[in-house]
Amino acid sequence: GAVVSQHPSWVICKSGTSVKIECRSLDFQATTMFWYRQFPKQSLMLMATSNEGSKATYEQGVEKDKFLINHASLTLSTLTVTSAHPEDSSFYICSAIGGAGEHYEQYFGPGTRLTVT
Amino acid sequence: KNEVEQSPQNLTAQEGEFITINCSYSVGISALHWLQQHPGGGIVSLFMLSSGKKKHGRLIATINIQEKHSSLHITASHPRDSAVYICAVRPFGNEKLTFGTGTRLTIIP
Repeated sequence: GAVVSQHPSWVICKSGTSVKIECRSLDFQATTMFWYRQFPKQSLMLMATSNEGSKATYEQGVEKDKFLINHASLTLSTLTVTSAHPEDSSFYICSAIGGAGEHYEQYFGPGTRLTVT
Repeated sequence: KNEVEQSPQNLTAQEGEFITINCSYSVGISALHWLQQHPGGGIVSLFMLSSGKKKHGRLIATINIQEKHSSLHITASHPRDSAVYICAVRPFGNEKLTFGTGTRLTIIP
């Protein structure tokens, strides 16, 4: 089946630094990718929707200047957490829509655990 | 009231038992997903349904569009099935998924 990968799977960074998370669709082209954040014991919260070649659409309350999203190709989207703070520590999950025929659906990446110290 | 309701919220069962997790939603949808999230956090897509029934190994998912209800069944449950199972729907005309709060399943050996 279709696969979405994320890198890194976990990262620890110091407060004030920036962290980039990559999301790749490995065997299909993804015209739309989503970025979610999940806090412990909570459901996934959509942060933004990105379409290849255009600016991301952010959900209400998500700071676009803090969470920079780039969807430069049909197989790669990146999320950069700028000037990270401890409250940004969370599990970040990307998801991509794509696939052919009956396999056209939304696929989830394994997630990236970010810890800001 | 959430647009997507799951029941039960928590379920503990003995190995080998037949498991049913339910999902009810309140809007018209184009698709419904069942997802599995293990304690490490990674999410696995189990099924995407728009009608009828799908089966994969010991997992079966059904959906009744008229009743706005879906069920996920696990036959011959095993401790490795222990995870959080999440129902998510895609409302008509909307590319974004709406998630249920999840069902935490624990299978005891």
